[in-house]
Amino acid sequence: DAGVTQSPTHLIKTRGQQVTLRCSPISGHKSVSWYQQVLGQGPQFIFQYYEKEERGRGNFPDRFSARQFPNYSSELNVNALLLGDSALYLCASSRGGAGDTQYFGPGTRLTVL
Amino acid sequence: DQQVKQNSPSLSVQEGRISILNCDYTNSMFDYFLWYKKYPAEGPTFLISISSIKDKNEDGRFTVFLNKSAKHLSLHIVPSQPGDSAVYFCALSRDSSYKLIFGSGTRLLVRP
Repeated sequence: DAGVTQSPTHLIKTRGQQVTLRCSPISGHKSVSWYQQVLGQGPQFIFQYYEKEERGRGNFPDRFSARQFPNYSSELNVNALLLGDSALYLCASSRGGAGDTQYFGPGTRLTVL
Repeated sequence: DQQVKQNSPSLSVQEGRISILNCDYTNSMFDYFLWYKKYPAEGPTFLISISSIKDKNEDGRFTVFLNKSAKHLSLHIVPSQPGDSAVYFCALSRDSSYKLIFGSGTRLLVRP
């Protein structure tokens, strides 16, 4: 079975631009979470969606938004990019039930110049 | 405020010996404690977990220990193999399917 897939793999943007990152969960998984990993730190929770509804949000500004589609894939949007948004953006999926494990995709490396 | 700390940024061990990775946390509200490992250019891979009602969980060469009174989590790998060389993250959660709070990671190098 295919794992979590993310696109694109790498992305270079300039300050002030907008970016959209995409994630396809493992088949049968209804929950998608987004994490930001800055160099030298652990992943930090941004959003979780379950059954197309936002289930939780981390401490990120309103420039960050996300949505989940009927096929459970998800997009993360970041507006008005800042240099500090440069990071690895990770998507994780799970069935969504209590105690289920989250499985991560390979991530999208975003560089903001 | 850092709720989860991995105080050792790196660890080097000889092949065949035991690797011990440590994680400390500050909040007693967590119910699930997980370890993920990460290779370069890949996403984190789930390794092993333990719930707050247990103090030990074993899976092959990997054992996780939880000391709730000390708010301390550890991962033992024995015997260590060169393929275990990676960055190891502990992650804590109220529910493992929900928001995970990660430590900053420990880079393990297993020398042949």
